[in-house]
Amino acid sequence: TQLLEQSPQFLSIQEGENLTVYCNSSSVFSSLQWYRQEPGEGPVLLVTVVTGGEVKKLKRLTFQFGDARKDSSLHITAAQPGDTGLYLCADSNSGYALNFGKGTSLLVTP
Amino acid sequence: DTGVSQDPRHKITKRGQNVTFRCDPISEHNRLYWYRQTLGQGPEFLTYFQNEAQLEKSRLLSDRFSAERPKGSFSTLEIQRTEQGDSAMYLCASSLKRDTYNEQFFGPGTRLTVL
Repeated sequence: TQLLEQSPQFLSIQEGENLTVYCNSSSVFSSLQWYRQEPGEGPVLLVTVVTGGEVKKLKRLTFQFGDARKDSSLHITAAQPGDTGLYLCADSNSGYALNFGKGTSLLVTP
Repeated sequence: DTGVSQDPRHKITKRGQNVTFRCDPISEHNRLYWYRQTLGQGPEFLTYFQNEAQLEKSRLLSDRFSAERPKGSFSTLEIQRTEQGDSAMYLCASSLKRDTYNEQFFGPGTRLTVL
């Protein structure tokens, strides 16, 4: 099972600021999923990236997949309090189990 | 609501007691997964079913953990002789086997506290 490293571990920003969080591995991802998890709830799938160099946008969220498919980033523009949560990346190289990183805990204050 | 549901949402038990959690997947999903999540960590895979067959169980944490999916619909996860270290969030997810990228949809989880 490859190790997924997410950074930063914690991030506290004010409403309106931009931010980027990262997910890295020493091995190639077959595909990578990003989830957001609110306290006391299960993770919610945001996006799946598959192709090296791919960029996907989901409203104010922009996801990039590295050319070598070993890293990915999530950029949030003009963060809002509703963006608060734990952002998790996960690979499915096994074909069944998702392998998660530890996540980035984001707090957006008004 | 057609999402994944879990019951109960919270469970408090005393050390040594047995507990059972239930998961109802999205109706057309034939794969069902169990994960455990502890504070400060991402979810950790435990086991999964394809229809009623349990295809991977080597990552269940000990022989005190067992899971069933008797008719290929809902599933139960049982922990026998609970220990304080079993305190965690237990998450269930489901997916379609034919999904190329194994996108999984999670339930709200069951928070277990062992006193």
